[in-house]
Amino acid sequence: DIQMTQSPSSLSASIGDRVTITCRASQTISTYLNWYQQKPGKAPKLLIYAVSSLQSGVPSRFSGSGSGTDFTLTISSLQFEDFATYYCQQSYSPPRTFGQGTKVEIK
Amino acid sequence: EVQLVQSGAEVKKPGESLKISCKGSGYTITSYWIGWVRQMPDKGLEWMGIINPGDSDTRYNPSLQGQVTMSADKSISTAYLQWSSLKASDTAMYYCARQGDRSRTNSFDIWGQGTMVTVSS
Repeated sequence: DIQMTQSPSSLSASIGDRVTITCRASQTISTYLNWYQQKPGKAPKLLIYAVSSLQSGVPSRFSGSGSGTDFTLTISSLQFEDFATYYCQQSYSPPRTFGQGTKVEIK
Repeated sequence: EVQLVQSGAEVKKPGESLKISCKGSGYTITSYWIGWVRQMPDKGLEWMGIINPGDSDTRYNPSLQGQVTMSADKSISTAYLQWSSLKASDTAMYYCARQGDRSRTNSFDIWGQGTMVTVSS
């Protein structure tokens, strides 16, 4: 199985901060890297697919980058509604594993 | 509106059987695979597997093979996840999700609201 490792596991940030979350795959996954946002008590929501393609309706302050095994999710200016847990997922090969999650909290 | 609507919360005893459902609407169910994702209490997301509602082809996470069964009834646009003998460790929230096509790198673009399964004696 391909292992996905996110860092950090949690972070505290203020409104307006630039936030970066990293995700590393245990082997190359081409561009099969997706990011999801999950708020407490809610289903996950697709933010970004194919490393950097923004899902329809997702604000442009979210962006993704990377290649091969190392990927990044960036929130350019953190808003109140962005406090949530973020998961990366590789969809290169089954089982299509998720990272362990990064919880973004208010400082 | 494209949506997936899941069946309601369940409370079961160890050893009991269970089948939960996920009904798609607003799109052609046979055009997209449906996946299942487990989230144990206060834990992360775990990919359980996917099913093609068109022909019931399935791909299971090897770690779960034999513990659950995925099925589908395309005539009513519904996918199912079932257990023959529940364990306390099956207690979790279960989400179904639509898998987008290869151009969307097989991402889960539409999610159900989740079904909470509690197994307790």
